[in-house]
Amino acid sequence: EIVLTQSPGTLSLSPGERATLSCRASQSVSSSYLAWYQQKPGQAPRLLIYGASSRATGIPDRFSGSGSGTDFTLTISRLEPEDFAVYYCQQYGSSLSWTFGQGTKVEIK
Amino acid sequence: QVQLQESGPGLVKPSETLSLTCAVSGYSISSGYYWGWIRQPPGKGLEWIGSIYHSGSTYYNPSLKSRVTISVDTSKNQFSLKLSSVTAADTAVYYCASSFSYFDYWGQGTLVTVSS
Repeated sequence: EIVLTQSPGTLSLSPGERATLSCRASQSVSSSYLAWYQQKPGQAPRLLIYGASSRATGIPDRFSGSGSGTDFTLTISRLEPEDFAVYYCQQYGSSLSWTFGQGTKVEIK
Repeated sequence: QVQLQESGPGLVKPSETLSLTCAVSGYSISSGYYWGWIRQPPGKGLEWIGSIYHSGSTYYNPSLKSRVTISVDTSKNQFSLKLSSVTAADTAVYYCASSFSYFDYWGQGTLVTVSS
């Protein structure tokens, strides 16, 4: 079973700053099968990125994903007030299983 | 647009079976997609519970497999979760979602508390 480790646990930044979130897999993950989600308090997660780098419908272009193999990154180029939330990475495995990382909280500094 | 809505008891006693249903609208379950359940204990992260393909094939998280059953009712366009022998550790918000390799549409979630 592939384990996803996200870092840092919490990222304290100011609006307008750049956020870089990391997701590291215990084994190689196909780029096609790596996704990122945003979750705000009391809400369901929202798909941001799929296939490691493709933005979901309606997602602003300040969100971008990159990476391959075991190292993936979600970048928010300039933080807007509504971007402060928890972010999860997720992979889909060959054994037909889905796994989430433990999350990174982006908080206002 | 696909919409999903979870329903079921909000309180379950320890050792009993948790049962939830997810009603799907805007899309026919039998047309495709995987249909999954994900849970989130209070203040914690997301855990995939299991998924069912529109054909009925099921896939479960190994850590929960012995207690989980997911089924689909195409006539009602809904799918269901049963989790047996629950304990307080099963207290969580339970989400249903549609997916291919990623979960694109989610229900709003329903809190299930395990307590006597």
